[in-house]
Amino acid sequence: SAVISQKPSRDICQRGTSLTIQCQVDSQVTMMFWYRQQPGQSLTLIATANQGSEATYESGFVIDKFPISRPNLTFSTLTVSNMSPEDSSIYLCSVEGQGASYNEQFFGPGTRLTVL
Amino acid sequence: KQEVTQIPAALSVPEGENLVLNCSFTDSAIYNLQWFRQDPGKGLTSLLLIQSSQREQTSGRLNASLDKSSGRSTLYIAASQPGDSATYLCAATRRGPPCTGTASKLTFGTGTRLQVTL
Repeated sequence: SAVISQKPSRDICQRGTSLTIQCQVDSQVTMMFWYRQQPGQSLTLIATANQGSEATYESGFVIDKFPISRPNLTFSTLTVSNMSPEDSSIYLCSVEGQGASYNEQFFGPGTRLTVL
Repeated sequence: KQEVTQIPAALSVPEGENLVLNCSFTDSAIYNLQWFRQDPGKGLTSLLLIQSSQREQTSGRLNASLDKSSGRSTLYIAASQPGDSATYLCAATRRGPPCTGTASKLTFGTGTRLQVTL
């Protein structure tokens, strides 16, 4: 399995500001994924991040709002830009397992964002 | 477009009971199905992964089954304990085309919120 950490674990932000969330994995992985979980909802995939290329965004999500960096095989960041209260969610990163855990997805602890 | 539904949305049982959580999906062309546990305000913990070629997987008191033809999966929890209280999510995986580097995509159900009482 993969061990994933996220920073910050939670934050409270003002409308119009931006927050960058960091995701660190304990092993090298090809793809990292960013999800959003709005209050009382299930998870929705925001984008897939490959190292060395632009992230691939799902329908309804755009790079200007959610820019993603993937500078190496163990790290990624997601920025939530120009935030509004509707952006209040838990943001989670995930990776596919390697070796015996291939095809299994593992998730970080999440970042709980509240926008006032 | 894959849609995943979980029934019931919430469940409360006394400690010691066996219980079944249900997950149904509309597109049977899945690559695998994964069950997760989520504690309030926390991330997801992977419980069981069933490949499309498998019928079931077991881990301790948990047993997950998969019937692709009917679009259903169940998670069976034996001898439930208060520590099992959490939200349980199932997710159906669709693999990208081979050799394209396209990632697997998970479609999540809305979850079953389980409360095990003393």
